[in-house]
Amino acid sequence: DADVTQTPRNRITKTGKRIMLECSQTKGHDRMYWYRQDPGLGLRLIYYSFDVKDINKGEISDGYSVSRQAQAKFSLSLESAIPNQTALYFCATSSGDSPGYTFGSGTRLTVV
Amino acid sequence: AQSVTQLGSHVSVSEGALVLLRCNYSSSVPPYLFWYVQYPNQGLQLLLKYTSAATLVKGINGFEAEFKKSETSFHLTKPSAHMSDAAEYFCAVSPFGNEKLTFGTGTRLTIIP
Repeated sequence: DADVTQTPRNRITKTGKRIMLECSQTKGHDRMYWYRQDPGLGLRLIYYSFDVKDINKGEISDGYSVSRQAQAKFSLSLESAIPNQTALYFCATSSGDSPGYTFGSGTRLTVV
Repeated sequence: AQSVTQLGSHVSVSEGALVLLRCNYSSSVPPYLFWYVQYPNQGLQLLLKYTSAATLVKGINGFEAEFKKSETSFHLTKPSAHMSDAAEYFCAVSPFGNEKLTFGTGTRLTIIP
C-alpha cells in the first residue's frame, strides 16, 4: 500500500456540486498539506495542518475547506465547485524533524 | 517570504548530453532547497535536498545540485541524459526545512533520441 493515499484518483463533477477529496497516510507524519497543480503555475498551497487541532490557510484557500479527522486523515472539500477549480490536487505529508514531503498520487478533478 | 524562480518552462536535450535545469530562490532566512520530479500521471518524488550541510548535493538517478549562496541558485544537473529522465521537475524552498514548501512553476524536460 502507498504511504499517502488519495481518493478518488479521478473525478468529474458538475458546477455547484459539493465534492470531497480524501487523503490518508501511514507515514506517522504530523503535518499534512493540500496543493493544486495547474499547467504553468506549479503547485500552490491550499491548506495545511501541523497537527489535528491546527488548520491553516494557504495562498489559495478561497472556495475550499478542510477537515483533519485524525492524524492520518486530511480531507479537502469544495463546497460549490466551479470550472476554474479543475486541476490536479495533491496531498502531502511531512515530519517536523525531517525536511521534505511525501506526496500522494494525486486526484484529477474536472468541473463541468 | 520565500519564492523560487525556474528559468525555462521547457528544456530539450539530446540523449547523452548534459542536463541543466535552473532554479533561483529568494529567502529571508537560510533556506532548505529541494528538487522534485514528476513522471506522467504520477505524484512528485524527491530527487535531492539541501539542508545546510554540503553545498554539492547528490540525489537519485545520477542527478546533483549545487547550492550557491552568492548567486541564490540551486541548479540541477546530470552529466548524461537518459530517455527515462523525461519528466517535469520542480524546485522548492522552505524556511528552516520543516515549514511548508513553496514551489517553482516547473520545467518540463524532453530528451531527444
